[in-house]
Amino acid sequence: GNSVTQMEGPVTLSEEAFLTINCTYTATGYPSLFWYVQYPGEGLQLLLKATKADDKGSNKGFEATYRKETTSFHLEKGSVQVSDSAVYFCALSPGGSYIPTFGRGTSLIVHP
Amino acid sequence: EAGVVQSPRYKIIEKKQPVAFWCNPISGHNTLYWYLQNLGQGPELLIRYENEEAVDDSQLPKDRFSAERLKGVDSTLKIQPAELGDSAVYLCASSLGDSATEAFFGQGTRLTVV
Repeated sequence: GNSVTQMEGPVTLSEEAFLTINCTYTATGYPSLFWYVQYPGEGLQLLLKATKADDKGSNKGFEATYRKETTSFHLEKGSVQVSDSAVYFCALSPGGSYIPTFGRGTSLIVHP
Repeated sequence: EAGVVQSPRYKIIEKKQPVAFWCNPISGHNTLYWYLQNLGQGPELLIRYENEEAVDDSQLPKDRFSAERLKGVDSTLKIQPAELGDSAVYLCASSLGDSATEAFFGQGTRLTVV
């Protein structure tokens, strides 16, 4: 079946540090890949997505590249801010439908 | 445009009592999802509706959980009777259906069973 594995958190960084949150997946066919973010007290929000191999999703300074050869979709940001503190979820959805399967989430804490 | 609205935000009940959660999806969204999110875990799909039809309920514990989506708009999720292990956040999401590339989530209902 489909599954997503994320690095365990929390990830604790100082402001302006470089961020990487690893995500690997197992799926049949050609899934779409997503990163969702959950800020404290709020619902899940789509951060970025990629629908085919080698696509790069980007939003708010975050980027992730769909790597089919390594089945990965790592999230990166060059310079994090305190306001980026949240829980980040990697997810996939089978091709041709939208039924997201989520990883367990990685908490990011950014200190001033 | 209003997002996905869930109520209540928080609910505390005693075990063996019934409880119901309500979700109002974004207008025009044909697909509605209920997810369960345990503490420190990612959301897990419970049931998915296409309009008023439940097309995927394989993960819904049918001995105590039930859901309905009358008229293909609002939906309710019920637990009867609740158990201690049901304490979690229940998330509702909606999307445009076949052409969807994104689901929009509500803020969730945090259930505590004591």
